[in-house]
Amino acid sequence: DVKVTQSSRYLVKRTGEKVFLECVQDMDHENMFWYRQDPGLGLRLIYFSYDVKMKEKGDIPEGYSVSREKKERFSLILESASTNQTSMYLCASSPGTGNSEQYFGPGTRLTVT
Amino acid sequence: QKEVEQNSGPLSVPEGAIASLNCTYSDRGSQSFFWYRQYSGKSPELIMFIYSNGDKEDGRFTAQLNKASQYVSLLIRDSQPSDSATYLCAVMLGGTASKLTFGTGTRLQVTL
Repeated sequence: DVKVTQSSRYLVKRTGEKVFLECVQDMDHENMFWYRQDPGLGLRLIYFSYDVKMKEKGDIPEGYSVSREKKERFSLILESASTNQTSMYLCASSPGTGNSEQYFGPGTRLTVT
Repeated sequence: QKEVEQNSGPLSVPEGAIASLNCTYSDRGSQSFFWYRQYSGKSPELIMFIYSNGDKEDGRFTAQLNKASQYVSLLIRDSQPSDSATYLCAVMLGGTASKLTFGTGTRLQVTL
């Protein structure tokens, strides 16, 4: 079974702090994704990566950056957390090369106060 | 027009009935279609996916794709209370290799 893990289930940070969210997948997937999910807005893509050290902006990249130094690990960074970044953050991975089904991690509920 | 649309519900069906969930998409070039189930407070779980026209069956679940009319459906036979969840439709729109666009989901309630 595909396993995608995220570093924290719940996180509380203060405004202005730098926040790191980590995601690890164990299936040698090519693609990894970061989403945020908010009530009424659904899943919105923040960033994705097709390969190590490669990254592409999604629909809402402002205020976020990412890092993929190893194939299995994809990190989301909030450079200076703000209250409007309070959300559920979901990481996903997909095999790539024609197989685009995505598998999600358990999510991190981030609260910025 | 949203790229992937779902009725937010709730869709209420009695236990044992067939639940029918629908999703329309805007791009005729869309290649692949996915259904996820999401319980409250949990992350989305892949149920099934379909690449070509026609039906795909997996246990109590059937996905139906109609490319001409640009919609995809999920049928759940013999609905159980444990099927109560939000169902997300996702589409790989044309020219967006590996990226999925998600609908906002339909909430299903299976009543006793």
